[in-house]
Amino acid sequence: GDSVTQMEGPVTLSEEAFLTINCTYTATGYPSLFWYVQYPGEGLQLLLKATKADDKGSNKGFEATYRKETTSFHLEKGSVQVSDSAVYFCALLYGNNRLAFGKGNQVVVIP
Amino acid sequence: GAGVSQSPSNKVTEKGKDVELRCDPISGHTALYWYRQSLGQGLEFLIYFQGNSAPDKSGLPSDRFSAERTGGSVSTLTIQRTQQEDSAVYLCASSSFYGQGGGYTFGSGTRLTVV
Repeated sequence: GDSVTQMEGPVTLSEEAFLTINCTYTATGYPSLFWYVQYPGEGLQLLLKATKADDKGSNKGFEATYRKETTSFHLEKGSVQVSDSAVYFCALLYGNNRLAFGKGNQVVVIP
Repeated sequence: GAGVSQSPSNKVTEKGKDVELRCDPISGHTALYWYRQSLGQGLEFLIYFQGNSAPDKSGLPSDRFSAERTGGSVSTLTIQRTQQEDSAVYLCASSSFYGQGGGYTFGSGTRLTVV
């Protein structure tokens, strides 16, 4: 079935460093792709999305480009802040309006 | 309401007991979803309600799990005869019809601990 795979393990980096979180997908067709973020003690929030190949989603300095050739939707931010510490989930939309999520990546930004 | 409200925020229960988890979606949202978030397992789809249509129950892990949605609004997820493997955070989300292209609004979840 349709699914997403995120890179294993937490990510720890210093403030102002460059962040990349890898996400690849397996799907029949070209599903809409999403990044959700979960800040400590809060519910998941939609961060950005892309609905077709070559689309770039962006929000709060984060970007992700829908790459059909590599079936990827990697999340990037050029200069992270401590406030970006959270868990990030990649997801795709499949049949009957359901989201399939990756396992998430804990990001810890150190001052 | 302004957001998706879930209650209780934390629940500790003894193995074998039944529990009920409540979700109050955003007013006017016709779609409601339940997911389970287990440590290291990501988010697992449980059940989906859309308006007055029959719910999509394909994600429920066993017949101990059930959910209902009354009046197209509040939903209750019931777990009967809880087991330790049911310990997880149960997340509810709602969206307008067609899911706003995947733009769900999530609640803060109910953390269930079965001891």
